Amino acid sequence: ELKVEQNPLFLSMQEGKNYTIYCNYSTTSDRLYWYRQDPGKSLESLFVLLSNGAVKQEGRLMASLDTKARLSTLHITAAVHDLSATYFCAVDRSSNYKLTFGKGTLLTVNP
Amino acid sequence: ETGVTQTPRHLVMGMTNKKSLKCEQHLGHNAMYWYKQSAKKPLELMFVYNFKEQTENNSVPSRFSPECPNSSHLFLHLHTLQPEDSALYLCASSQEVRASGPTETQYFGPGTRLLVL
Repeated sequence: ELKVEQNPLFLSMQEGKNYTIYCNYSTTSDRLYWYRQDPGKSLESLFVLLSNGAVKQEGRLMASLDTKARLSTLHITAAVHDLSATYFCAVDRSSNYKLTFGKGTLLTVNP
Repeated sequence: ETGVTQTPRHLVMGMTNKKSLKCEQHLGHNAMYWYKQSAKKPLELMFVYNFKEQTENNSVPSRFSPECPNSSHLFLHLHTLQPEDSALYLCASSQEVRASGPTETQYFGPGTRLLVL
């Protein structure tokens, strides 16, 4: 059974600081997704990582994938309040076309 | 309307009621999904439809009954629910589900917040 673990589950940080959210998964995967969810709103796709060593960046967020370590990271640079949200990673396997989600990381950026 | 829409956004129902959740996607996709998001739990996949055919039932109790009349619409019929069924129910769509190969990016609706009393 594929398991996806995120840490930390709660992250409170100050504006301007850097931090990293980690996503570990238990078996080989074909794709890894990062989603963002604002309170009371839907999930928004941020990144899709397809292969070992993949790195994608959008604004202050950068995601990377190490398939050998079964680890993805979401790095936040110089955080701003607008980044406050819950961030989910999700992993899929081509054998069953299901996405398995982590529990999410609730990020709060304080002024 | 654009993207994936869901109605109602909020629903309160008693355990003996029957209600339905509706999802509509305007993206020209052929696969649709129901997920359950409970507090402190990961998102759980419930059902998958591909070209109107159900391809996945993730051991969901029969008190949840999905219906997909066409590729753009997905319903979740609810009856005799339990308080533990209270959750956010999310609908998603993607281009299609392939027999092999990785999943396509899924686009989510805003969800229906369900409270069962």
